[in-house]
Amino acid sequence: GAGVSQSPSNKVTEKGKDVELRCDPISGHTALYWYRQSLGQGLEFLIYFQGNSAPDKSGLPSDRFSAERTGGSVSTLTIQRTQQEDSAVYLCASSLIAGKVVYEQYFGPGTRLTVT
Amino acid sequence: AQSVTQLGSHVSVSEGALVLLRCNYSSSVPPYLFWYVQYPNQGLQLLLKYTTGATLVKGINGFEAEFKKSETSFHLTKPSAHMSDAAEYFCAVTDNAGGTSYGKLTFGQGTILTVHP
Repeated sequence: GAGVSQSPSNKVTEKGKDVELRCDPISGHTALYWYRQSLGQGLEFLIYFQGNSAPDKSGLPSDRFSAERTGGSVSTLTIQRTQQEDSAVYLCASSLIAGKVVYEQYFGPGTRLTVT
Repeated sequence: AQSVTQLGSHVSVSEGALVLLRCNYSSSVPPYLFWYVQYPNQGLQLLLKYTTGATLVKGINGFEAEFKKSETSFHLTKPSAHMSDAAEYFCAVTDNAGGTSYGKLTFGQGTILTVHP
């Protein structure tokens, strides 16, 4: 079946512009995660959605970052007024959660964001 | 708070040699442990995972890892390296005691494996 897809695969933007990154999780996966991968910081958790529960936003680095998940499926990560330090690969993952069992996360190919 | 330490940001082995990538974790609750591999310009692929039960887990591509609670370690091994194993490897831990961050992964810094012919 189809895996996690992300778009665009590459995005170059000017400092100060807003960007939107999209994630399509695997069908039926109730949990969706965003991570950021950068040279200096490694892989960092950003935000987590699970069903209709309030998202865990504890990893968002500033209030310029926000994310939503519509209809329990597609998610959009928005970065406002981009800065050069936002340059990174943004990875999305999804997983099944059934009761108290958490299954492995499946990752998308990522969006490489470059802020000039 | 959880943390993961991978000893050695770069490991180099000869083709056919043993691969050993080290991972130590700290967690206040029994963790679930994972190894992921990332090939250039690709996303992360799960190699193997430990949740409960047998502490020696086998994964794809001939890799295996052993959970040692007393040593808080989850080292990844492969008896004989292949050129196609060259990639970056990440150890990760998740807190599965429940709560709002259920399943959130904390990653190590990664180890780049180079395989020489």
